[in-house]
Amino acid sequence: QAQLVESGGGVVQPGMSLRLSCATSGFTFSGFPMHWVRQSPDKGLEWVAYISNSGGTVYYTDSVKGRFTISRDNSKNTLYLQLDSLRVEDTGVFYCSRAKLVPGGSGWGRASDMWGQGTMVTVSS
Amino acid sequence: IVLTQSPGTLSLSPGERVTLSCRASQTVGSNYLAWYQQKPGHPPRLLIYTTSSRATGIPDRFTGSGSGTDFTLTINTLEPEDFAVYYCQQYATAPLTFGGGTKVEIK
Repeated sequence: QAQLVESGGGVVQPGMSLRLSCATSGFTFSGFPMHWVRQSPDKGLEWVAYISNSGGTVYYTDSVKGRFTISRDNSKNTLYLQLDSLRVEDTGVFYCSRAKLVPGGSGWGRASDMWGQGTMVTVSS
Repeated sequence: IVLTQSPGTLSLSPGERVTLSCRASQTVGSNYLAWYQQKPGHPPRLLIYTTSSRATGIPDRFTGSGSGTDFTLTINTLEPEDFAVYYCQQYATAPLTFGGGTKVEIK
């Protein structure tokens, strides 16, 4: 059965770093682009980053550009999100999600057809 | 693209029909609009993609429609397990964005 399992969240002070991991199983990880999505009471659901199936193309929401880095290791079936220079407003549950492949689709945008359970990141002084 | 969902909360009884609205601040290209269902303590679940295509395993009481800037999710005959928060998402234009959600609660 296909699944995504996030880890690496925690409580940190502003300016610190965390590395989130998303271990996948049950599907051909290298065939799918992936997303990270954040959810907080203040901002609701917020798309954070995207990575193509090869890892060669990445996109970020403006508020995390230069601070977060999405990457993947297809040999380990694992997705990562490096969070640097964390801010209080980065607090939330971080989900990894699989991008749904649709034949004939244009552009890189994709809905998310599978989600992990999420990992909580709290940034507080 | 800003997505505005209305109403914020709906109080309904099982068996009723519900229509949820999602309005975009500009045209959603290729009708790349999705709907998700989320229950407390769980991640979102994809219901509808590309405006009207049901995701795998989604019952046919869920129907998506619309185009341009106005989109709708209709649930025919609410089942007890349908009480949840529903979000729309556009994935046509970066940054991908979500609406603020509509909570469907038991009356």
